[in-house]
Amino acid sequence: QKEVEQNSGPLSVPEGAIASLNCTYSDRVSQSFFWYRQYSGKSPELIMSIYSNGDKEDGRFTAQLNKASQYVSLLIRDSQPSDSATYLCAAVSGSARQLTFGSGTQLTVLP
Amino acid sequence: ETGVTQTPRHLVMGMTNKKSLKCEQHLGHNAMYWYKQSAKKPLELMFVYNFKEQTENNSVPSRFSPECPNSSHLFLHLHTLQPEDSALYLCASSQDTQYNEQFFGPGTRLTVL
Repeated sequence: QKEVEQNSGPLSVPEGAIASLNCTYSDRVSQSFFWYRQYSGKSPELIMSIYSNGDKEDGRFTAQLNKASQYVSLLIRDSQPSDSATYLCAAVSGSARQLTFGSGTQLTVLP
Repeated sequence: ETGVTQTPRHLVMGMTNKKSLKCEQHLGHNAMYWYKQSAKKPLELMFVYNFKEQTENNSVPSRFSPECPNSSHLFLHLHTLQPEDSALYLCASSQDTQYNEQFFGPGTRLTVL
C-alpha cells in the first residue's frame, strides 16, 4: 500500500488559471508535509512546507493541510508556462521520521 | 545550482566496474541522504546519515556501499551493479533528521550496461 498517493496526471491548465494538485497520505501520525517541484531532467526543488491544519500562502502558491482527512493540496494561482513540471508531495512518516514521496503529478500550463 | 553538489553528473559503467558517486553540501547541515529515482516510480530513500552516523539503510543491496567521512561529504560506492540499477541518484541534506526540509543536489544519471 502506497503511503503517499498523488494523481499522476497529466494535469493541463491554461495560463492564468489556478492549478490544484492533491495528495493523500496513510500514516495518521505524519506531522510534516512538503511540496517539491521537479523540472524534466532536474532534481526536486523544495517549494512549500506545511505543518499545521489550514492554509499556508507563499506568493502564488498555497498549501492546504487537513489532517482529519489526511489530505494535502497545493494551489498555484495565475499559472505560468514556467510552472510546467512534476510536483512531488512528501510526508514525514514512521518512527524513523523518513520522508516518503508520492509518485508526482505532471502539470502542464498551456500558453 | 543549490548548496548541494554531486559528481559526476553522468556515469556509464559496466557490470564489473567499481565507481563512486560524491556529494558535498555547503549548507552547514548535519544530515545527508541518498535517494534513487527510477522512471515512473517514487523517490526511494536508500541511506540516511545524521552527524556522520548511518541511521537508516532501507534494505539496499550490498553492491551499494555508502560512506560519510564528515557532515559535509557523502559517497556512494558502486560495484557489480545490475542494469536495473540504472537510475538518477540524488543526494540531499537537511539541518538534521528532526527537521526534514531536505535540499537536493543535481543528481548523477547512472547507466549500467
